[in-house]
Amino acid sequence: QSALTQPASVSGSPGQSITISCTGTNSNNINYRDVSWYQQNPGKAPKLMIYEVTNRPSGVSNRFSGSTSGNTASLTISGLQPEDEADYYCSASTTIGTPVIFGGGTKLTVL
Amino acid sequence: QVQLVESGGGLAKPGGSLRLSCVASGFTLSDYYMSWIRQAPGKGLECVSYMSSSGTYIKYTDSVKGRFTISRDNAKNSLYLQMNSLRAEDTAMYYCARDLAPIGAFDFWGQGNLVTVSS
Repeated sequence: QSALTQPASVSGSPGQSITISCTGTNSNNINYRDVSWYQQNPGKAPKLMIYEVTNRPSGVSNRFSGSTSGNTASLTISGLQPEDEADYYCSASTTIGTPVIFGGGTKLTVL
Repeated sequence: QVQLVESGGGLAKPGGSLRLSCVASGFTLSDYYMSWIRQAPGKGLECVSYMSSSGTYIKYTDSVKGRFTISRDNAKNSLYLQMNSLRAEDTAMYYCARDLAPIGAFDFWGQGNLVTVSS
């Protein structure tokens, strides 16, 4: 089974930049060109922040950016703000089994 | 504007059934790939079921195969998830979500519908 692994938590101070990684395992079936990132606040539905690795939906701040290298995708948040504190999930499409898989999520704390 | 409004969740006993509904507005459901995504309490996201815009491509995660059925009523612009033989591990918030393109980029989500399976 393919899987996406994220760090459980990351933290940063206001104004700093942080990066959240998303690494594929058993990854031959993962489409890394289709990586998306979601922000989820407590009690709310997830919000799409990045799709197709680098694209931002309308209305998403350009402080959010994405990239990939090999089997690892990354979400970078620059100029960290208190309202960025949330859970972040990566996802990717797959060619076998469930068509979309999610990482386990990363809790971002803004100190 | 685009909206997804869900209903039908609640409490069910193990082995019981529930049917979730998701009514779309602001767009035509049959023009998009759609998915049901769940989140167990304190856990991450899981794509439970996925349907193509044509309705001919349907997928389920292994743990619900044979028990859950995704369907769509184009006239009502609605998506459904029939859940049978429910288990305690199916307890979760269930979201319907629209795929921006068939790549797993879910750009609009319902408000979520809590399903609790308990005796």
